[in-house]
Amino acid sequence: KNQVEQSPQSLIILEGKNCTLQCNYTVSPFSNLRWYKQDTGRGPVSLTIMTFSENTKSNGRYTATLDADTKQSSLHITASQLSDSASYICVVPLSGGYNKLIFGAGTRLAVHP
Amino acid sequence: GAVVSQHPSWVICKSGTSVKIECRSLDFQATTMFWYRQFPKQSLMLMATSNEGSKATYEQGVEKDKFLINHASLTLSTLTVTSAHPEDSSFYICSASEGAAYEQYFGPGTRLTVT
Repeated sequence: KNQVEQSPQSLIILEGKNCTLQCNYTVSPFSNLRWYKQDTGRGPVSLTIMTFSENTKSNGRYTATLDADTKQSSLHITASQLSDSASYICVVPLSGGYNKLIFGAGTRLAVHP
Repeated sequence: GAVVSQHPSWVICKSGTSVKIECRSLDFQATTMFWYRQFPKQSLMLMATSNEGSKATYEQGVEKDKFLINHASLTLSTLTVTSAHPEDSSFYICSASEGAAYEQYFGPGTRLTVT
């Protein structure tokens, strides 16, 4: 079954601290994996796109990793800011195309001052 | 680039009435548009996929007569919730793509509250 699982479900950290979010997937065949940030009451915004051959990709304070062998990805947030408070969603397209996206349930991150 | 807008951003309607939500691709031609629904603390659930000029394809369990989708142009798709009921209250998000092989870009969402 094609699934995307994320952990933890929710996370609270203090401003300035780092954190790592996890994503495991069983989607096959695999072409790419995406991390989105969704602020409350807003649509998802793409953070990174990881293809099969990429191990690490950074976007500012966000760094995503991918291990295609173990089918795991992580999103590391460095020096967190209050504005990082949001849901982070891991998404894997089905069958190599984009018409069907498999969404993880998301990790709700709260950054406290 | 790749901006998708939705209108309205929020709407409150009475039970039994219909409400229309618009989704526009502002700087690209969207051959395919998608409509999602998101309940609190849950992830996005695909409702239907529409290709410009064709009838929408609905996901299992989504009533096509209740959620009318029109994709009459390459930049506009509309979702009409007919005879809305309180259980239809949700966050509706659209996305747009230049085609099956292209990335989906998400709109900002529309919060629907049915009283």
